[in-house]
Amino acid sequence: GAVVSQHPSWVICKSGTSVKIECRSLDFQATTMFWYRQFPKQSLMLMATSNEGSKATYEQGVEKDKFLINHASLTLSTLTVTSAHPEDSSFYICSAPLPEWGQPQHFGDGTRLSIL
Amino acid sequence: DAKTTQPTSMDCAEGRAANLPCNHSTISGNEYVYWYRQIHSQGPQYIIHGLKNNETNEMASLIITEDRKSSTLILPHATLRDTAVYYCIEEEAGTYKYIFGTGTRLKVLA
Repeated sequence: GAVVSQHPSWVICKSGTSVKIECRSLDFQATTMFWYRQFPKQSLMLMATSNEGSKATYEQGVEKDKFLINHASLTLSTLTVTSAHPEDSSFYICSAPLPEWGQPQHFGDGTRLSIL
Repeated sequence: DAKTTQPTSMDCAEGRAANLPCNHSTISGNEYVYWYRQIHSQGPQYIIHGLKNNETNEMASLIITEDRKSSTLILPHATLRDTAVYYCIEEEAGTYKYIFGTGTRLKVLA
């Protein structure tokens, strides 16, 4: 079945550094991918829509300069958390819809980001 | 805002059927209902989806009311490994976006 791979699965870094998270669709092409973040005991919150070959669209309240999204190919989207601070610590998850209408999205296994 | 509402939590005895309800009263005629579950510290796992008709696969059954304003996910023989948060999702029309509600935290009891 369709698989979405996310890397790394967890990362710990110092405050002020930038962290890149990759999301790959392994056996299908995805012109659109989505990025979510999830705080402990809360639901997933949609951050942005990643569009292949064009700018990402961000949900209200999400800082586009803080969370840089690049969708350079039909199988790869990256999320870069720039100048990360402890409040950016969270679980980040990507998803990609299959190209056929009505088919479900497939999610990566998430990246746990801890900023010290 | 989330377009679906679900009970916050439910318990189910191991081996019994778990019936998880969801209200999606704003659903339009061509929008699917999707069900996923999330086990701690993992990404959501797809379970089943439907449009109008009831659906069944190896994981679960989905019963959709005739007016399509609500649905029920049925896990026929719940096991301890089915303990998870279950999300019922209505896709935002024309955008592929999923807006997650709070989901139902299902606890299967031995």
